[in-house]
Amino acid sequence: AQSVSQHNHHVILSEAASLELGCNYSYGGTVNLFWYVQYPGQHLQLLLKYFSGDPLVKGIKGFEAEFIKSKFSFNLRKPSVQWSDTAEYFCAVNRKNRGSTLGRLYFGRGTQLTVWP
Amino acid sequence: DAGVIQSPRHEVTEMGQEVTLRCKPISGHNSLFWYRQTMMRGLELLIYFNNNVPIDDSGMPEDRFSAKMPNASFSTLKIQPSEPRDSAVYFCATGEGGQGGGQYFGAGTRLSVL
Repeated sequence: AQSVSQHNHHVILSEAASLELGCNYSYGGTVNLFWYVQYPGQHLQLLLKYFSGDPLVKGIKGFEAEFIKSKFSFNLRKPSVQWSDTAEYFCAVNRKNRGSTLGRLYFGRGTQLTVWP
Repeated sequence: DAGVIQSPRHEVTEMGQEVTLRCKPISGHNSLFWYRQTMMRGLELLIYFNNNVPIDDSGMPEDRFSAKMPNASFSTLKIQPSEPRDSAVYFCATGEGGQGGGQYFGAGTRLSVL
């Protein structure tokens, strides 16, 4: 069955610390990969996405993610977090099937990031 | 584009009442998804449509839940009768499907069933 694992449920950091959030998926075929962010009381917003090409993807607000196919991973990173990065972060996978995506996203359970000023 | 528009933003109702949530997708997006988010269960996919046709409704919890997409610019999620355990934030998301992947979320409807 399709699954997306986010190993850290809650991460607490001080401002300026570096961040890495893990994401692994189980689907063996070709995938599109996404990271979404949900600020308190708001909806999910797309941070970055990987479809093909350079496995290191840069997104908004200084975030980046690296796709490592051999490890089925798509970890999110930021070199220096800010208090305003406090939010919940969701990894998601979209399967490519027979050359076209099905549109459906499989989400991880999310990682709550708390950044102390 | 105004993005995905959901209404109402907040709904408070009493147990047993009918609740209808509405979603207007981004123009040109041919896939539409309804999600439910709670603290206990996280983000759950309830149903999704492609070109107005329901593709997978296996996430719909019970027969009390139903969803329709009568045209490309409108979808509804109905709960009848509502129960306190239906209290959650309901999100609608739309996407280009095909090779586009990615989904864009509405602001959500916060439902409280008393």
